[in-house]
Amino acid sequence: IAGITQAPTSQILAAGRRMTLRCTQDMRHNAMYWYRQDLGLGLRLIHYSNTAGTTGKGEVPDGYSVSRANTDDFPLTLASAVPSQTSVYFCASSGLMNTGELFFGEGSRLTVL
Amino acid sequence: KQEVTQIPAALSVPEGENLVLNCSFTDSAIYNLQWFRQDPGKGLTSLLLIQSSQREQTSGRLNASLDKSSGRSTLYIAASQPGDSATYLCAAADSGGSEKLVFGKGTKLTVNP
Repeated sequence: IAGITQAPTSQILAAGRRMTLRCTQDMRHNAMYWYRQDLGLGLRLIHYSNTAGTTGKGEVPDGYSVSRANTDDFPLTLASAVPSQTSVYFCASSGLMNTGELFFGEGSRLTVL
Repeated sequence: KQEVTQIPAALSVPEGENLVLNCSFTDSAIYNLQWFRQDPGKGLTSLLLIQSSQREQTSGRLNASLDKSSGRSTLYIAASQPGDSATYLCAAADSGGSEKLVFGKGTKLTVNP
C-alpha cells in the first residue's frame, strides 16, 4: 500500500514560474489537505478538500490554488512562484474530516529563487 | 482561536529513561488530539489518536493521555531508545466546525546511547 505519493520530492524554481505539486492517495479517503512547514512557524494549512469536487481555504491560501477532480488526486498549484513560497509542502488525507487519523506524504521541498 | 503549545522545544535524555512530552491547547472543545512523529526530511507519521470522549490511548511503549478540562495532553514514552529520536508533534482537531487541525511546533527528542 503506497498511501500518499507526492511529486516532485524536491524542486528549485525561478521566481515567477508556475509550479504544480502533485499528490495522489490510494486509501479512498474523502478529505485531503495541503500544508506547508517552515522553521519556527510549524505546519500551516494552505487548502483542503472535504470530498471530490469541493475545496476550501486554509490559514495561508494566498498564491496557491487546488483542484479535486477525483477522490485520489489533489494537486497544488503556484501560479507565479515567489521566494516566500520556499518551504516544504506536505499533502495529507483522512477518512473523516477532522475526526479521523491523518496520513501524510513524504513532502515536496520547494526552493524559489 | 485554538492554539497548541509544546514545551520544551527540545529534550535530550539517556537511553532507557522513561519520559513525558507535553502538549497544551487553549480551547477545550476538541474532537480529538493526535500525536505524530517526524523524522528529519520525512513526513509525519501518526502515533496515537485520542477522541474527545477518551482519556488515553496506548500503543506499545507509547501512552497518550488527554485532559480536556485542563487543556493538556501528554505522550509517555517508556524505556526510551535511540530509535525514538525524532520530533514529536501534537495536533488538536477543532470541534467548532472548523476545517483545520491545529498543530503544535513540536518537541525534538534526542535519546543518547
